Amino acid sequence: GESVGLHLPTLSVQEGDNSIINCAYSNSASDYFIWYKQESGKGPQFIIDIRSNMDKRQGQRVTVLLNKTVKHLSLQIAATQPGDSAVYFCAEMGNTPLVFGKGTRLSVIA
Amino acid sequence: KAGVTQTPRYLIKTRGQQVTLSCSPISGHRSVSWYQQTPGQGLQFLFEYFSETQRNKGNFPGRFSGRQFSNSRSEMNVSTLELGDSALYLCASRGGWSGANVLTFGAGSRLTVL
Repeated sequence: GESVGLHLPTLSVQEGDNSIINCAYSNSASDYFIWYKQESGKGPQFIIDIRSNMDKRQGQRVTVLLNKTVKHLSLQIAATQPGDSAVYFCAEMGNTPLVFGKGTRLSVIA
Repeated sequence: KAGVTQTPRYLIKTRGQQVTLSCSPISGHRSVSWYQQTPGQGLQFLFEYFSETQRNKGNFPGRFSGRQFSNSRSEMNVSTLELGDSALYLCASRGGWSGANVLTFGAGSRLTVL
């Protein structure tokens, strides 16, 4: 399950390893999904998005996978770097405004 | 082009006071959304404006209000502040109303209520 705020789920990875951040969404009517990255003192920054008619989308070092059957999203970051350290949020949109998950804190160990 | 600009970045108020936060969207963007971010509740949707009209509203009390001007700049106001209103208030803009337009966020206004 997901914790919130100061007790966010934390993922610690070694620099250079791949990271996988998971997210369960709630609304089966959601047809658009976005991953955001939030660094300390900054607002959320767009990473990658995916529509519900796709199950995979790739960007630069990032891949998003969508499993509509179990309402699950994942964000894969290849060759994780110290600059990837941040809180990552998935967000869903359908018949509602963009709804954010609680977030996962990624810590990269140099 | 310039990003989303929020002012002020930091402010401290006392209980019972009111506060107004300002947001200037990306040039050409007509939709502005506001979110409240707290450690306990995460990012929660407040409202969205498009062409000066409120299009959606989240589940917040009437003390939270907003408006949008003809130049797409937006303000939000919180009256009769409570300790629980301490949060990071984020503004985001996007180009269109419908469809999958990505929200671009500002850096936020951090409100502390004492």
